Amino acid sequence: AQSVTQPDIHITVSEGASLELRCNYSYGATPYLFWYVQSPGQGLQLLLKYFSGDTLVQGIKGFEAEFKRSQSSFNLRKPSVHWSDAAEYFCAVGGNRDDKIIFGKGTRLHILP
Amino acid sequence: DARVTQTPRDKVTEMGQEVTMRCQPILGHNTVFWYRQTMMQGLELLAYFRNRAPLDDSGMPKDRFSAEMPDATLATLKIQPSEPRDSAVYFCASAFWGTGGCTFGSGTRLTVV
Repeated sequence: AQSVTQPDIHITVSEGASLELRCNYSYGATPYLFWYVQSPGQGLQLLLKYFSGDTLVQGIKGFEAEFKRSQSSFNLRKPSVHWSDAAEYFCAVGGNRDDKIIFGKGTRLHILP
Repeated sequence: DARVTQTPRDKVTEMGQEVTMRCQPILGHNTVFWYRQTMMQGLELLAYFRNRAPLDDSGMPKDRFSAEMPDATLATLKIQPSEPRDSAVYFCASAFWGTGGCTFGSGTRLTVV
């Protein structure tokens, strides 16, 4: 069965610092991988996705993620965070074989001024 | 921008009452997901449809929950009878499968008292 693990429940970084949010997945074939962001009281917004091809994918708001098959990981990065990046971030996995999209528990990002 | 529309935005109901949540997916999208979000469980997949046919509803309590797509522009999630443990935010999301991630609605916040 497919699953997603986000090992960090909370992450705190200073404004302007770099960010890396971890995501590990379990899926029996080539996965579709996603990162979403959720601000309080809002729905989820797609940041970026990986289906195939280049393992480094660029997304909106300056985010990028790297697919590493050998580590079953899809970590999200940003070189310099802004206070407006404070939100909850969800990693998700799906696939053509199974067609579901399953989400991790999320990582809440706090930004120090 | 195309968006997924969910109604109502908020619903407070008494235990035992029937609750119906509605979702209008993005025109042209062929896949619709229903998720439930709580603090304890995170985002749980309840059911999803492809081309209006239910593919998987194993995430739903079968005795009280039902999901349908009477036509391509409407998906419904019904709870009968509702219980306090059903209190959560219910999200609908739609996608044209294989071309990108799913787009989420703003959610229905359900409170059962």
